[in-house]
Amino acid sequence: EAGVAQSPRYKIIEKRQSVAFWCNPISGHATLYWYQQILGQGPKLLIQFQNNGVVDDSQLPKDRFSAERLKGVDSTLKIQPAKLEDSAVYLCASSLDSGTLSWPQHFGDGTRLSIL
Amino acid sequence: AQSVTQLGSHVSVSEGALVLLRCNYSSSVPPYLFWYVQYPNQGLQLLLKYTSAATLVKGINGFEAEFKKSETSFHLTKPSAHMSDAAEYFCAVTSPETGFQKLVFGTGTRLLVSP
Repeated sequence: EAGVAQSPRYKIIEKRQSVAFWCNPISGHATLYWYQQILGQGPKLLIQFQNNGVVDDSQLPKDRFSAERLKGVDSTLKIQPAKLEDSAVYLCASSLDSGTLSWPQHFGDGTRLSIL
Repeated sequence: AQSVTQLGSHVSVSEGALVLLRCNYSSSVPPYLFWYVQYPNQGLQLLLKYTSAATLVKGINGFEAEFKKSETSFHLTKPSAHMSDAAEYFCAVTSPETGFQKLVFGTGTRLLVSP
């Protein structure tokens, strides 16, 4: 089966600019996650979707970050305006069912964002 | 609140030697525990998971981990390291506290394998 697709793989922008990332989950996966992975740290959940509804966005900096999952398939994550501390790898993951996490989360290769 | 602590940001072993990566969890209720591996410039891949069945869990690539409630540990082991095992390893936890909805990762351990 095709894996989780993310684009772009790399992005370099200046602070205060805006940027968007795209994720296409594995076909049939109802749950989609966006994680932020800062260098030297583990992934931190930013937002979780169940179909096209938000399950958890408690750690999403809503003053600058936004995410949507139209039609319950693809998702975009946007940062506007970007700050230096947003430099990180942004990982998208999907799973069949999030109810018990008995289904594994499948991760994309991530987008590496560098802020100048 | 649930959390995991990975002791040692870097572990170095020789090829053929035992691999031991440590993970201790904190959860007020019995958790589910996971080990993920991340190769350079790639996403995370599930190695194995503990979901309250057998306490000794076998995963892919010859790795296994044992859930020890008395020690609140879930250490990852492999009897004989291969060069291809060099990567970053993450322990993660979820629990009924979050309805098993949220996965919390440790800070990771980088495994270095020398010839």
